[in-house]
Amino acid sequence: GEDVEQSLFLSVREGDSSVINCTYTDSSSTYLYWYKQEPGAGLQLLTYIFSNMDMKQDQRLTVLLNKKDKHLSLRIADTQTGDSAIYFCAETLTGTASKLTFGTGTRLQVTL
Amino acid sequence: NAGVTQTPKFQVLKTGQSMTLQCAQDMNHNSMYWYRQDPGMGLRLIYYSASEGTTDKGEVPNGYNVSRLNKREFSLRLESAAPSQTSVYFCASTTGVGQPQHFGDGTRLSIL
Repeated sequence: GEDVEQSLFLSVREGDSSVINCTYTDSSSTYLYWYKQEPGAGLQLLTYIFSNMDMKQDQRLTVLLNKKDKHLSLRIADTQTGDSAIYFCAETLTGTASKLTFGTGTRLQVTL
Repeated sequence: NAGVTQTPKFQVLKTGQSMTLQCAQDMNHNSMYWYRQDPGMGLRLIYYSASEGTTDKGEVPNGYNVSRLNKREFSLRLESAAPSQTSVYFCASTTGVGQPQHFGDGTRLSIL
């Protein structure tokens, strides 16, 4: 079945890099997504990667995908206080009408 | 650009009351989705509409009904609200397979 897991909490100092990890169980994933949610707000798409890719970079964000281990990570370079939020990874599976299965979210706290 | 618009933003109901949550998108997207978000559980799919004229159950459909009124609008109805349906409800839309979902700002619903 579908299962997406994330650690619940990560604390980093401003200026350091943050790495948020995600594991998934279904090998028929087609796309994997990272969303950001600030308090009281909706979900903002950060980036996404097709499952036949290993890496995608977009400014301060780097996504790494290890298909063998079913492991996805999001690296945020030079983390800022404005990056404090909950980060969700999500997957869609082949033939599922683009339905998303979400992880439980990782709360990123950025300290001065 | 409005994107995905949800109304109302907040609502308090008594147990047994009914209400309809509204969602509209102006991006000409084919597929629309309703999720609920509960603490520590990420987002779970309630119902979705892969295209105009079709609706299907998601992971947690019990106690809900939906209507895809036209291509733009997808409503979620609670016929007899229960305290277990206290949650934040998000509507999302996408053009189709592989394309990311875009989310509304959510409706915060409390049932007493």
